[in-house]
Amino acid sequence: EVQLVESGGGLVQPGGSLRLSCKASGFAVSSDYMSWVRQAPGKGLDWVSLIFSGGATYHADSVKGRFTISRDASRNTVYLQMHSLRPDDTAIYYCARGDYGPYGMDVWGQGTTVTVSS
Amino acid sequence: SYVLTQPPSVSVAPGKTATITCGGDDIRTKIVQWYQQKPGQAPVRVIYYDNARPSGIPERFSGSNSGSTAILTISRVEAGDEADYYCQVWDSSTYHWVFGGGTQLTVL
Repeated sequence: EVQLVESGGGLVQPGGSLRLSCKASGFAVSSDYMSWVRQAPGKGLDWVSLIFSGGATYHADSVKGRFTISRDASRNTVYLQMHSLRPDDTAIYYCARGDYGPYGMDVWGQGTTVTVSS
Repeated sequence: SYVLTQPPSVSVAPGKTATITCGGDDIRTKIVQWYQQKPGQAPVRVIYYDNARPSGIPERFSGSNSGSTAILTISRVEAGDEADYYCQVWDSSTYHWVFGGGTQLTVL
C-alpha cells in the first residue's frame, strides 16, 4: 500500500528551528517528485516546497532561505528543515507525492502540526 | 506570480448540480487539478489533467477548462460531497505549485 506518514511537528518559539519527516512506503521517494503543502488554521492550502526525482528543489517565496527540502533514499524519507520560524508558519504540514508531470499530487499524508508561539 | 480565484462558498440542494469555478489568467493553457478536503482530513485529488478522474472517484465529478475559467462540476450532489474544494495549477515560469483559495461546498 502506498502511504506517507509525517512526523516532527510540535510547539516551537519564534526564531526556532524544526525538522519534519515524511516516511514513504509502497514506492521510492527518489523516483517521484515530492512536495510539502501547509494549511494554516482555518485557511486554504499553501504549497511550500518541492524536490524532483533528479534532486532539484524549489521553495515558495514565503519560505525561501528559511526552509529546505531534502530526502534520504536509504530511509525512503523526505524532510523539511525549517529555520527562523515565525508565528505565520503555524500550520498543518502535509507531505504529498507528485503524479506524472503537472498532474498534481496523488498521495497525501495525514499531516503534522507545527505551532510557532512564545 | 500566478493567481487562482475561487468563490468562497457554493450552496446546492441534494440531487442538484454544483458548479465551482476557478479563474486565472489564460488558465486554458494550464493543466488544472481539483482537490476535495473534508474537515480534519487530508486533501484528496478528485480531478487531474483538467477532466480526468482518479480511480475511485465517482463519475459525478467532472472538470472543464477553457478561456480564463476552469470548472468543477458535481452532479447529483450528495450530503457526503460537503467539503472544501481547491483548484491547482503548475506555474512553469516559477516552478511553483499554485492553489486557489478554496470553495466551501454546502449541501442544503
